[in-house]
Amino acid sequence: ILNVEQSPQSLHVQEGDSTNFTCSFPSSNFYALHWYRWETAKSPEALFVMTLNGDEKKKGRISATLNTKEGYSYLYIKGSQPEDSATYLCAFSGDYKLSFGAGTTVTVRA
Amino acid sequence: KAGVTQTPRYLIKTRGQQVTLSCSPISGHRSVSWYQQTPGQGLQFLFEYFSETQRNKGNFPGRFSGRQFSNSRSEMNVSTLELGDSALYLCASSLTGGPNTGELFFGEGSRLTVL
Repeated sequence: ILNVEQSPQSLHVQEGDSTNFTCSFPSSNFYALHWYRWETAKSPEALFVMTLNGDEKKKGRISATLNTKEGYSYLYIKGSQPEDSATYLCAFSGDYKLSFGAGTTVTVRA
Repeated sequence: KAGVTQTPRYLIKTRGQQVTLSCSPISGHRSVSWYQQTPGQGLQFLFEYFSETQRNKGNFPGRFSGRQFSNSRSEMNVSTLELGDSALYLCASSLTGGPNTGELFFGEGSRLTVL
């Protein structure tokens, strides 16, 4: 069983503030690290897929970094907005098998 | 471009019955994977298919099975249903490399309730 751990489990952010959270994963047999945003009553939506150590990806106000040697990834949200409220899932891909973390639930307060 | 389509969206079964769920991937996507989400367990990987071949499977009992057809559509079957099988079942499609190389596109899920 692959342990993909995310912390914190949940966080509350004031609108306009920036925040970040962590995903840790096994450093062996690594193919890719995925980030998804899952809003209530919707399907998970891909944010990033990172495959190389040192990868940095950005989409609007959201960015992510990857360190495969030490087995962690950070997701950053800059200037949080109410529409950023969601559960953010990371997932480790090894040999066509995607193992998800439990997620970090972000609530942005106006 | 149509998204991933899962049917049925909701279904209720009783213990001991079996159920078949269907997933039609995005056109051109040949990798299909299935996940189970239960409260407190998060998303658990069931299996992944490409070109009608299962490339990997998760840690689920043999009651859970799947297959993929030549048009990339996939079905999963759960036999001898148990109360604990009540869950949201999500299907996702992606290009050739599957989760190893690219993002997954998820369907809206099939919510199964076992009574």
